[in-house]
Amino acid sequence: GAGVSQSPSNKVTEKGKDVELRCDPISGHTALYWYRQSLGQGLEFLIYFQGNSAPDKSGLPSDRFSAERTGGSVSTLTIQRTQQEDSAVYLCASSLVGGYNEQFFGPGTRLTVL
Amino acid sequence: KNEVEQSPQNLTAQEGEFITINCSYSVGISALHWLQQHPGGGIVSLFMLSSGKKKHGRLIATINIQEKHSSLHITASHPRDSAVYICAVTVGTGNQFYFGTGTSLTVIP
Repeated sequence: GAGVSQSPSNKVTEKGKDVELRCDPISGHTALYWYRQSLGQGLEFLIYFQGNSAPDKSGLPSDRFSAERTGGSVSTLTIQRTQQEDSAVYLCASSLVGGYNEQFFGPGTRLTVL
Repeated sequence: KNEVEQSPQNLTAQEGEFITINCSYSVGISALHWLQQHPGGGIVSLFMLSSGKKKHGRLIATINIQEKHSSLHITASHPRDSAVYICAVTVGTGNQFYFGTGTSLTVIP
């Protein structure tokens, strides 16, 4: 079956521009996570969605970052006024229900801010 | 201070060797996850465990809740095992994840 998909796979943008990254989770998975992996760094939790509950935004690094999940399925991570330090691979993962279940990761979106 | 510490950071082994990667954590956890990331590739979940031991093929993961420590073992290592292995823990209701910085494993033929 289809796994988690993300688009675009690569995004190059200029400093100050807004970008949108998309994640399509596995059908039926109610939990969705966004992570960031900067060059040479470990994974960093950004935001978590569980069903229709309010998302856990505690990992978002600044108010330039936001995410939404429409209809409990597709999610979009938006970065406004991008900065060079936003350059990273942005990973999405989904699971059946929260952290008690195996997470399935998407291939990531590599964002480069020039 | 990192909530999750892994060792070693880098590991080179000869094909066939038995490999151990260690993970220590400082918080109360709901579960511990071992992830594998191949160069240029995506991340695959290997194990999720909250007690005892799990085995998949040549991979074995153990956890000691009292000592807040987990190990990932690879028996009869193979060059295709070369990857970064990441330990992660979930806290509370399971949506807070803390990640180790990973162990980069290279298995030489």
